[in-house]
Amino acid sequence: AQSVTQLGSHVSVSEGALVLLRCNYSSSVPPYLFWYVQYPNQGLQLLLKYTSAATLVKGINGFEAEFKKSETSFHLTKPSAHMSDAAEYFCAVGGGSTLGRLYFGRGTQLTVWP
Amino acid sequence: DTEVTQTPKHLVMGMTNKKSLKCEQHMGHRAMYWYKQKAKKPPELMFVYSYEKLSINESVPSRFSPECPNSSLLNLHLHALQPEDSALYLCASSLSWTSPDTQYFGPGTRLTVL
Repeated sequence: AQSVTQLGSHVSVSEGALVLLRCNYSSSVPPYLFWYVQYPNQGLQLLLKYTSAATLVKGINGFEAEFKKSETSFHLTKPSAHMSDAAEYFCAVGGGSTLGRLYFGRGTQLTVWP
Repeated sequence: DTEVTQTPKHLVMGMTNKKSLKCEQHMGHRAMYWYKQKAKKPPELMFVYSYEKLSINESVPSRFSPECPNSSLLNLHLHALQPEDSALYLCASSLSWTSPDTQYFGPGTRLTVL
């Protein structure tokens, strides 16, 4: 079975500060890992994905994530937060016998203070 | 072009109405999905179509009836809904259902059942 745990349902940072959103996964097979962002009243937009190539993955809008197998983690970071980063962020895992199904974490709401 | 379009953007319906949600993609994707998303929650998978055939029905009540007329279109027919069915309905597509490819999401239809 596969699952994702996102630690912290709410994260608040000041503009210009480091953003760190945590994601830990559970998977019995090599995982495919995704981070999606959702702005209010919109659909989910892919930020980045890990598919067993480089362990450090760069995505859109200055975000990146590092796959750490030993820690079963795929944390999302951005060096300097911008007001426009305020949104809901979802981590998801897929792979193996579950075919194309993605298992989503509960989400983390990011607030950016001026 | 990685766009999935959904119409209508908003829908208000009574419990005795019949309405349909529409989703379209022109990326050549052969897997299409319907998700239901409640406020502050991750998307919940409802249906998966692979090569225009229904592959997954996550025990969704029969008042929701999906249809995939061709490889680019996905409909969700609604009849006799309940107020608890009010949610954001998201359509997504991916290259294939047989592997965990990136799912591209539409903007969603905000459904309110009175």
